[in-house]
Amino acid sequence: EAGVAQSPRYKIIEKRQSVAFWCNPISGHATLYWYQQILGQGPKLLIQFQNNGVVDDSQLPKDRFSAERLKGVDSTLKIQPAKLEDSAVYLCASSFLPPLAANNEQFFGPGTRLTVL
Amino acid sequence: AQSVTQLDSQVPVFEEAPVELRCNYSSSVSVYLFWYVQYPNQGLQLLLKYLSGSTLVKGINGFEAEFNKSQTSFHLRKPSVHISDTAEYFCAVSGGGTSYGKLTFGQGTILTVHP
Repeated sequence: EAGVAQSPRYKIIEKRQSVAFWCNPISGHATLYWYQQILGQGPKLLIQFQNNGVVDDSQLPKDRFSAERLKGVDSTLKIQPAKLEDSAVYLCASSFLPPLAANNEQFFGPGTRLTVL
Repeated sequence: AQSVTQLDSQVPVFEEAPVELRCNYSSSVSVYLFWYVQYPNQGLQLLLKYLSGSTLVKGINGFEAEFNKSQTSFHLRKPSVHISDTAEYFCAVSGGGTSYGKLTFGQGTILTVHP
């Protein structure tokens, strides 16, 4: 079975520019997550979707970050405008079980490494 | 609220030696515990998980972990490591209450296996 796909793998931008990341989850996985992993830290959840609805975006900096999953399959995460502190790896994950299933196993993509100069 | 503390940021070890990566968690409700491994430039891969039942959990690549409720720990062990085990390891917790279904990760432990 194909894994979670993400693109691009690497992105370098200047501060105040915009950037978008794309994620395609495992087929049949209704739940999709976006994480931010800053160097030296564990991943931090930004937003989670079930199908095309947002379940939790309490950790998403909504003044500059946005995410959508219009058709309930692939998803886009956008940053506009980017700041230096947004430099991180952005991980997408998907799971078969609903997000409120405490024992759901999440499958992670390879991530997009963003560098903001 | 739930939290995870990985007690060692880096663990160097020689090949074929045993290793233990330590993880402590904090949660006011029942928890599910996970260990993930991240190889360079790759996403996270699940090593093992504790949901219920036996406190000794076996995972892939010869790893195992023991859930200790009284000490709120979930340490990862391998009796004999290989060069290919060099990676970063993350402990994570998913629990109840407002954290239901959410994974909270520790800071990670970099395991370096030397020949």
